[in-house]
Amino acid sequence: KQEVTQIPAALSVPEGENLVLNCSFTDSAIYNLQWFRQDPGKGLTSLLLIQSSQREQTSGRLNASLDKSSGRSTLYIAASQPGDSATYLCAVETAGTALIFGKGTTLSVSS
Amino acid sequence: EAGVAQSPRYKIIEKRQSVAFWCNPISGHATLYWYQQILGQGPKLLIQFQNNGVVDDSQLPKDRFSAERLKGVDSTLKIQPAKLEDSAVYLCASSLGFRLAGADTQYFGPGTRLTVL
Repeated sequence: KQEVTQIPAALSVPEGENLVLNCSFTDSAIYNLQWFRQDPGKGLTSLLLIQSSQREQTSGRLNASLDKSSGRSTLYIAASQPGDSATYLCAVETAGTALIFGKGTTLSVSS
Repeated sequence: EAGVAQSPRYKIIEKRQSVAFWCNPISGHATLYWYQQILGQGPKLLIQFQNNGVVDDSQLPKDRFSAERLKGVDSTLKIQPAKLEDSAVYLCASSLGFRLAGADTQYFGPGTRLTVL
């Protein structure tokens, strides 16, 4: 059974700092891995999707890497801003199942 | 392009009462999902529809939860009777129903926050 774990559960940083969020999964047979952002009272917004054959994806200040063999992914946020404050969720898609989510990392960026 | 619409946005009920949630997916999306997100947890799939047929309802508590998707478009999720542990955000998502560039990307609605007292 696929399990997704995210560390840390919460993170507080000052504005401008670079940071890394971690995600691990138990079954390496995945189709893809996604990073989502969730703001309070709102739905999920997809940030980056990495297919199983890819190693990383980049969008603006965000970079996500995937090491399928070790069951790990990282989301790197460069030059953090207060507007980056949100909960970040990692999810994997495995054959025959819908998305399996981690519990998320709640990020707070102070100005 | 309009996103996934859900209503109501908030609902407060007493335990043992009934409640229903509505979802209107993105036009043309064949697949519709209902997720339950308890505070501090990631979303958990309750049921997945492909058009108006059920693909996966293995985690739906069928003794109290039911869902339907009439005509393969809108969907309703019902809880009867509600329990305290049903307090959560109920998220609806939709997708095309086939892989494009390796993924069948899901688009999420804003969710319905249910509080059971």
